[in-house]
Amino acid sequence: NAGVTQTPKFQVLKTGQSMTLQCAQDMNHNSMYWYRQDPGMGLRLIYYSASEGTTDKGEVPNGYNVSRLNKREFSLRLESAAPSQTSVYFCASRSTSGRAENEQFFGPGTRLTVL
Amino acid sequence: GQQVMQIPQYQHVQEGEDFTTYCNSSTTLSNIQWYKQRPGGHPVFLIQLVKSGEVKKQKRLTFQFGEAKKNSSLHITATQTTDVGTYFCAGWVGTASKLTFGTGTRLQVTL
Repeated sequence: NAGVTQTPKFQVLKTGQSMTLQCAQDMNHNSMYWYRQDPGMGLRLIYYSASEGTTDKGEVPNGYNVSRLNKREFSLRLESAAPSQTSVYFCASRSTSGRAENEQFFGPGTRLTVL
Repeated sequence: GQQVMQIPQYQHVQEGEDFTTYCNSSTTLSNIQWYKQRPGGHPVFLIQLVKSGEVKKQKRLTFQFGEAKKNSSLHITATQTTDVGTYFCAGWVGTASKLTFGTGTRLQVTL
């Protein structure tokens, strides 16, 4: 099992450009999450999807959109990138049963710089 | 909204010294989790505490959940250089599907 995968690993954008961050998990988890991590700010939730077909806003949703394409994939889109969106973005999925109930599994992250 | 604070923000210890990080929530939590993030890496789950007053140990790591389920601590005995990283607590509230992360404590260990 690959766990949670994210693409790309690194990206540099100019202000106003758009892009989509891709995330996929192969653990058959229902819930998936997008976080951003900034120095000294911890992990802040952008959007989440409790199950296939549903999405909800987190703490910092402005400037982002998401799509839960199917049970495996959850993408994050920046329509018009701004320098304030320079950050490290992590995708995660959550186990809801078994020994690892409620454990969140994180992808390796995407390091995004907006100039 | 719910806030989860951690102290200290940063701690530098010599190898062999003990280390403790404290986590405080503005609201009562249904359970609390701890994650470790190595420099340049992603957060990795360590443990989940569910019961009021619960204490769990993992080798040199001891985790506690407060009686009021609003605070928690992680204590590392005799730190090693492999303990370097940032430790995050994260809490679930009620039946919500989202986790609120603390601000993190960065641990540096030198020989």
